[in-house]
Amino acid sequence: SQQGEEDPQALSIQEGENATMNCSYKTSINNLQWYRQNSGRGLVHLILIRSNEREKHSGRLRVTLDTSKKSSSLLITASRAADTASYFCATDAGGTSYGKLTFGQGTILTVHP
Amino acid sequence: SAVISQKPSRDICQRGTSLTIQCQVDSQVTMMFWYRQQPGQSLTLIATANQGSEATYESGFVIDKFPISRPNLTFSTLTVSNMSPEDSSIYLCSVEVWDSHYNEQFFGPGTRLTVL
Repeated sequence: SQQGEEDPQALSIQEGENATMNCSYKTSINNLQWYRQNSGRGLVHLILIRSNEREKHSGRLRVTLDTSKKSSSLLITASRAADTASYFCATDAGGTSYGKLTFGQGTILTVHP
Repeated sequence: SAVISQKPSRDICQRGTSLTIQCQVDSQVTMMFWYRQQPGQSLTLIATANQGSEATYESGFVIDKFPISRPNLTFSTLTVSNMSPEDSSIYLCSVEVWDSHYNEQFFGPGTRLTVL
């Protein structure tokens, strides 16, 4: 399967600033999910956006999806030191690949107090 | 959502040995998956654990190396066989949970394996 790409690979910001991470993928999708991973631990599910949706919000998170450009973005507003983690996007192509997630390479976010 | 536990959380093993990782979910789920995350890398799907039938493996992964069991809808095991240092990774199980609109996928805490 083809991996998506995320940029930037690493992002360093100050507390209170906004953080934007981008994800591009190569095939059509059923949905796209964003995850957070702290220090090589398990993944925490953040948000799912379906292919027929363009934007979703959850607390300080805002996710957009542009299927024509095969891209998505994750915006974290008013960042906190506790947001420091790796963030991954994962796509589900549906069909015969239903449920099988293809992950991007991830963005390492560092939020400085 | 779903609460997923994995055992062991970490292990250090000698090359040539095998390790079995357990994944337990707090509710019945149809879809369970196993992923590998090599050091500094993203996650790669190993296989889909099918209840009542053989697992479905992704390209590059074979049953002899990664045998999987799925005896019921809440439990699965992944064995890493005849280990080498290249198998040092985090292994994660995941489950798909449906609500009325979405099929979100949730992950266990992972098993960090180091092979010497």
